[in-house]
Amino acid sequence: NAGVMQNPRHLVRRRGQEARLRCSPMKGHSHVYWYRQLPEEGLKFMVYLQKENIIDESGMPKERFSAEFPKEGPSILRIQQVVRGDSAAYFCASSPPSTSSNQPQHFGDGTRLSIL
Amino acid sequence: QKEVEQDPGPLSVPEGAIVSLNCTYSNSAFQYFMWYRQYSRKGPELLMYTYSSGNKEDGRFTAQVDKSSKYISLFIRDSQPSDSATYLCAMSGFGNEKLTFGTGTRLTIIP
Repeated sequence: NAGVMQNPRHLVRRRGQEARLRCSPMKGHSHVYWYRQLPEEGLKFMVYLQKENIIDESGMPKERFSAEFPKEGPSILRIQQVVRGDSAAYFCASSPPSTSSNQPQHFGDGTRLSIL
Repeated sequence: QKEVEQDPGPLSVPEGAIVSLNCTYSNSAFQYFMWYRQYSRKGPELLMYTYSSGNKEDGRFTAQVDKSSKYISLFIRDSQPSDSATYLCAMSGFGNEKLTFGTGTRLTIIP
């Protein structure tokens, strides 16, 4: 499967626990984006990363949320001390590198996070 | 006011009909315009990707961008039941990679 891979597909956590969501970009893609989709709402941008760098985190909540894209391995979106309002579908997208124009983003099938 | 407005529907049309979906936006910095299709419990799938104003055709799909009116459209010809999904418009500015999405239009094609 050459697409964007996200795991787990479903994640259940109790309030106060930590959630870790993983994303492996498409082969050849070095840019990763995270979006959150709440019920009956559109996707909202959270963060844009390249290898070992956060490029734009303007959509990330100021507390409890962090993201990384290490030199080796998948990108990780980490949510500490989860609350009920964190329940949502989290989507990862990736795109190839470009110096001249924006490249189309391709999405994974998401991780559905449920907080008990 | 939202940056991108999209009628949520739902929209139901008979099989074979032409479907018209559209979005309006307020940010004049947007230069790239996309349409995604999203099936239930799946991720968005890129359908059309256009830069600046004009038309682009791909099979049964045609995307139109009118930057002077800040209005984009997606037309689906000869609609099929398999086209039943939620359609999301998205856009971004040049050199600004983050996508701003509409809320999506839920489309049902009736056999």
